[in-house]
Amino acid sequence: GAVVSQHPSRVICKSGTSVKIECRSLDFQATTMFWYRQFPKQSLMLMATSNEGSKATYEQGVEKDKFLINHASLTLSTLTVTSAHPEDSSFYICSASDGVENEQFFGPGTRLTVL
Amino acid sequence: DAKTTQPPSMDCAEGRAANLPCNHSTISGNEYVYWYRQIHSQGPQYIIHGLKNNETNEMASLIITEDRKSSTLILPHATLRDTAVYYCIVRGNNAGNMLTFGGGTRLMVKP
Repeated sequence: GAVVSQHPSRVICKSGTSVKIECRSLDFQATTMFWYRQFPKQSLMLMATSNEGSKATYEQGVEKDKFLINHASLTLSTLTVTSAHPEDSSFYICSASDGVENEQFFGPGTRLTVL
Repeated sequence: DAKTTQPPSMDCAEGRAANLPCNHSTISGNEYVYWYRQIHSQGPQYIIHGLKNNETNEMASLIITEDRKSSTLILPHATLRDTAVYYCIVRGNNAGNMLTFGGGTRLMVKP
């Protein structure tokens, strides 16, 4: 299957700082990318859907000004957690779809810890 | 998308078949059944999907009932590496359609 990478795999930051997480499709062009968040012992929750070149669509309850998503190219989407707080500590996972195959390919996830 | 119901956990002996059930009684005619799994601290991994007919690939088999209200994922010879949370998801077959993850089934394969 297609490969999706995330960087960094793990990040620890201080409260109040911003953290950027990258999601890359390595061997295909991703017309749509999805960002999920997963708290311990819980399921994945969709945060937002982004299409290349357009604004992301956020799920209810997800603050768009706090979780900035940029999908500037067909192989890269970024999620920036602005002014991070301890409650933002979570496992962030992206997925990508090429718009042809009806599969979503998931990245390995980024574990964010906010102190 | 239709909601799915799965048992929260199951055990399976190594080498035996693991049969994971899923109920999706409100599935509509154009919705597919997808299965993903998530090994601890990793991203979900696609396993298989189907519409009406039973499907088989190198990882698993998917058995969908005739009325499509339920399905079973079969891992024919479970190994310890198959220990994971398995998610059954129903969605339309459009690449833009989001995946809605429920609680899944935590499968524990035991030696």
